[in-house]
Amino acid sequence: GENVEQHPSTLSVQEGDSAVIKCTYSDSASNYFPWYKQELGKGPQLIIDIRSNVGEKKDQRIAVTLNKTAKHFSLHITETQPEDSAVYFCATMGYGTASKLTFGTGTRLQVTL
Amino acid sequence: DVKVTQSSRYLVKRTGEKVFLECVQDMDHENMFWYRQDPGLGLRLIYFSYDVKMKEKGDIPEGYSVSREKKERFSLILESASTNQTSMYLCASSPPSYEQYFGPGTRLTVT
Repeated sequence: GENVEQHPSTLSVQEGDSAVIKCTYSDSASNYFPWYKQELGKGPQLIIDIRSNVGEKKDQRIAVTLNKTAKHFSLHITETQPEDSAVYFCATMGYGTASKLTFGTGTRLQVTL
Repeated sequence: DVKVTQSSRYLVKRTGEKVFLECVQDMDHENMFWYRQDPGLGLRLIYFSYDVKMKEKGDIPEGYSVSREKKERFSLILESASTNQTSMYLCASSPPSYEQYFGPGTRLTVT
């Protein structure tokens, strides 16, 4: 089955700096790559996603890049703010897997003042 | 706004008890999922359902069963709770497109 590795497990940045979280996956049939943000006491919430026919997608301060050849994708957060502090999960979905997601192990991001 | 609700935020049960976790979604989604979340392990899929009365095993189904009698409700059952089932349980739903919407989670402690 699919295996998703996520790094780093913790990340501390100063407010205003950029943060990058990377994930690698094993199944070349994966074609959907979402990123979820989980704040304390809440369930994960989708923040951005990318499909396999696109190399990069941006939404304000958040961007995701995908390298299908190397089987890795990354989340980039620019101009970090304290409210970006949370746990971030990457995930993959393969074709024909009935919407099943395989998640990475999570990255705890702390944005310090 | 999509809403996924879970019956309890915190639950404490004894070893051997039968435990029911309930999840309800209000957006007429076909797919529903149960995950458990443990530190350092991310979210792991227990069971999912793509239609009423349909269910499929996820990656870690041992010790769990599920029930989906109505489209909006998906129940997770621990037939005989054990201490290694102490965890955060998350329910999610999705339409035939890809985005999954999560509930707030139930933190279950088995003593």
